[in-house]
Amino acid sequence: EAGVVQSPRYKIIEKKQPVAFWCNPISGHNTLYWYRQNLGQGPELLIRYENEEAVDDSQLPKDRFSAERLKGVDSTLKIQPAELGDSAVYLCASSLVRGTLVEQYFGPGTRLTVT
Amino acid sequence: TQLLEQSPQFLSIQEGENLTVYCNSSSVFSSLQWYRQEPGEGPVLLVTVVTGGEVKKLKRLTFQFGDARKDSSLHITAAQTGDTGLYLCAGRAQGGSEKLVFGKGTKLTVNP
Repeated sequence: EAGVVQSPRYKIIEKKQPVAFWCNPISGHNTLYWYRQNLGQGPELLIRYENEEAVDDSQLPKDRFSAERLKGVDSTLKIQPAELGDSAVYLCASSLVRGTLVEQYFGPGTRLTVT
Repeated sequence: TQLLEQSPQFLSIQEGENLTVYCNSSSVFSSLQWYRQEPGEGPVLLVTVVTGGEVKKLKRLTFQFGDARKDSSLHITAAQTGDTGLYLCAGRAQGGSEKLVFGKGTKLTVNP
């Protein structure tokens, strides 16, 4: 079974430029998450989707970040314009419900460097 | 805001040694998960603990959930170089929330 796929793996852009990240979750996983992980920190949730509906976007900086999950499968996270402080690893995860447990599976992440 | 404090932040040991890392909070969690993350990869789920006092073993790794479900520990016996990585704990709030709160992690280096 294929895992969570993310692209690109690495991205270097200049500040004020736009950037987009793509995620394909594990087949059959209805819930999709985008996290940001700064160096030396744990992942922080940006947005969670249940199918195509964003059910928790309270931590998404909406002035410059946007996300979509058309058709409830693939998802795209966009930053426009990027700032120096956006440099981080952006992780996508999808989850499977096993009874009362929710197990999240993470992709390899996209490492963004803003110069 | 629920916070998870992990300690130590960094740990460097020799192969064959034992170690314990800790995850503490003042909040109660319905469940707690441990992940291992290697450089350039996403976190990989190791275990989920749900019941206060629960102990789970995964080969040389032993996970324990505190009786009050506020803390957890991970003990590794006879560490190997392949155990090197960032160990993250993540807690799920009570009430059926699917949101995970992550600690900052313990970066473990096992030297040959």
